[in-house]
Amino acid sequence: EDQVTQSPEALRLQEGESSSLNCSYTVSGLRGLFWYRQDPGKGPEFLFTLYSAGEEKEKERLKATLTKKESFLHITAPKPEDSATYLCAPTPSDSWGKLQFGAGTQVVVTP
Amino acid sequence: DGGITQSPKYLFRKEGQNVTLSCEQNLNHDAMYWYRQDPGQGLRLIYYSQIVNDFQKGDIAEGYSVSREKKESFPLTVTSAQKNPTAFYLCASSLHRAGTYEQYFGPGTRLTVT
Repeated sequence: EDQVTQSPEALRLQEGESSSLNCSYTVSGLRGLFWYRQDPGKGPEFLFTLYSAGEEKEKERLKATLTKKESFLHITAPKPEDSATYLCAPTPSDSWGKLQFGAGTQVVVTP
Repeated sequence: DGGITQSPKYLFRKEGQNVTLSCEQNLNHDAMYWYRQDPGQGLRLIYYSQIVNDFQKGDIAEGYSVSREKKESFPLTVTSAQKNPTAFYLCASSLHRAGTYEQYFGPGTRLTVT
């Protein structure tokens, strides 16, 4: 059975304190892995797609990386506006676009 | 501006009533999806549609129904058969062609049934 685990569940950071979020997955063949950001009471906002092990994508203070069984979202020198829940969603190659969402990591960045 | 709209933002219903949630997109996307989000849980897929007049059940379809009569619209009906309908409902769409599988989400509808 496909599983997605995100850790930690919650992360509290001081502004400027870099950290990493983990997404480990067991899916039968990976078509792609997606990262989203979700603010309270809003729909998820698309951040990145990673397709193969070794791939990296960057956007402002965020960098996503992918291995065969894990993905990491690195937050470099975070600002309070980076506070959000970050969701990862691998999609198996045989699932026709059905994303398997993890429960998310809630990040709070304090000034 | 292109995007996905969901209405209403908040919806309150009495137990035993059916309710329909609206989802419209002007992104010219082929595929549309409905998810449910509960506190502390990941998004769970209710129904999805690859093309007009066709849709498939997701992981938690019981108590829900959908239609896809137009490319732009994918309404979700929460029926009285759904045992725990109170949740945050999210609609998404994707182009779903080679190399472009990412899904884009609407703002969500929070449904409360009492």
